Amino acid sequence: EVQLLESGGNLVQPGGSLRLSCAASGFTFSNYAMNWVRQAPGKGLEWVSGVSESGDTTYYADSVKGRFTISRDNSKNTLYLQMNSLRAEDTALYYCAKRGGPARGWLDPWGQGTLVIVSS
Amino acid sequence: DIQMTQSPSSLSASVGDRVTITCQASQDISNYLNWYQQKPGKAPKLLIFDAFNLEVGVPARFSGSGSGTYFTFTISSLQPEDIATYYCQHYGNFLPLTFGGGTKVEIK
Repeated sequence: EVQLLESGGNLVQPGGSLRLSCAASGFTFSNYAMNWVRQAPGKGLEWVSGVSESGDTTYYADSVKGRFTISRDNSKNTLYLQMNSLRAEDTALYYCAKRGGPARGWLDPWGQGTLVIVSS
Repeated sequence: DIQMTQSPSSLSASVGDRVTITCQASQDISNYLNWYQQKPGKAPKLLIFDAFNLEVGVPARFSGSGSGTYFTFTISSLQPEDIATYYCQHYGNFLPLTFGGGTKVEIK
């Protein structure tokens, strides 16, 4: 069974940093691009960042570019999101999700999410 | 970037009703359009990929259609367990991925 398990969410002050992790199992992690998607309380889904299968190509939403860094360790089957200079508007539930495959731009499955709260 | 306009933002229907949600792209996106269901307190779940393909295990009362700039998602006979928010999502050759604003479906 394909599983994604996020961790690392916490309460952090504005301007602070946090690193999220997503542990993958049940599939060949290195064969799939991975993504982070967030959902602010009571709001819709917002794509945050994506990384290629090898990790050498990364993409970011304009709202997080220059502050967030996505990476992956294929030897550990783990996806990361380093979040710096956090703002109140970054408060959200952060999901990791597996991309369907090359030229397959759907996300399936998703993890259960990890909550990030940015507040003083 | 391509914008996805989803409507309505919410709807209320009776059990057994036919429910239709639309998603309009700001430019031609071929059939690169997916639909997700998010039940309260749960992660989104893929229902339909590439406009009309039903994900394995998804009930046949769910369907999708469209291409180019206009897409529809239909529940042929609304069931109590279908209470959720539904999102469309576009993808291209490269990121970003773009989500519609969501449609909250409630039982009347």
